Amino acid sequence: DGGITQSPKYLFRKEGQNVTLSCEQNLNHDAMYWYRQDPGQGLRLIYYSQIVNDFQKGDIAEGYSVSREKKESFPLTVTSAQKNPTAFYLCASRSGGKKTQYFGPGTRLLVL
Amino acid sequence: DQQVKQNSPSLSVQEGRISILNCDYTNSMFDYFLWYKKYPAEGPTFLISISSIKDKNEDGRFTVFLNKSAKHLSLHIVPSQPGDSAVYFCAASALYGGSQGNLIFGKGTKLSVKP
Repeated sequence: DGGITQSPKYLFRKEGQNVTLSCEQNLNHDAMYWYRQDPGQGLRLIYYSQIVNDFQKGDIAEGYSVSREKKESFPLTVTSAQKNPTAFYLCASRSGGKKTQYFGPGTRLLVL
Repeated sequence: DQQVKQNSPSLSVQEGRISILNCDYTNSMFDYFLWYKKYPAEGPTFLISISSIKDKNEDGRFTVFLNKSAKHLSLHIVPSQPGDSAVYFCAASALYGGSQGNLIFGKGTKLSVKP
């Protein structure tokens, strides 16, 4: 069954801690994306990757880092430099020749 | 500066009636537009899209209209059903540029369909 998986569904971060959100896809998509959604807001782009071993900053990359070592995986690390990390994080992927992005179920990050 | 605007944060419609969700954009380089539906605590689900070479695209109860001269698109849902209650996001993509393939999202419109 093809799709995008994100884990965990809920994640708690302590002050000064780095946490990593997982995103995996088995759709053979080339491009992958990370978004952040805050209440009453649209989706804001954090990082994106068009191909393996390459990624670009989005509109709100500060305090986040990513890697793209495998086509299927695009983990997002929320570092201690991100002062307001509480949000709903969404991963998406897209086939190279298409415009439509498909989303995972999301991870809710909360700060303790 | 918002490039994609959904000016109505919420919309309430009676079951069986038409729901019309609106979206305006400012960037004339946008060439592809999409609508996503999102339930709370879930990822958005792709609903329907339209290319800038068309002015209408239909899929079952969902129709998207594009007015390029007005930089405006709308999503029509007919007939509306209680299960359509969700937040609807409009998104746009540009043909050219380094961020080709990236989507710009509006802030969403919360649709409530009352039985």
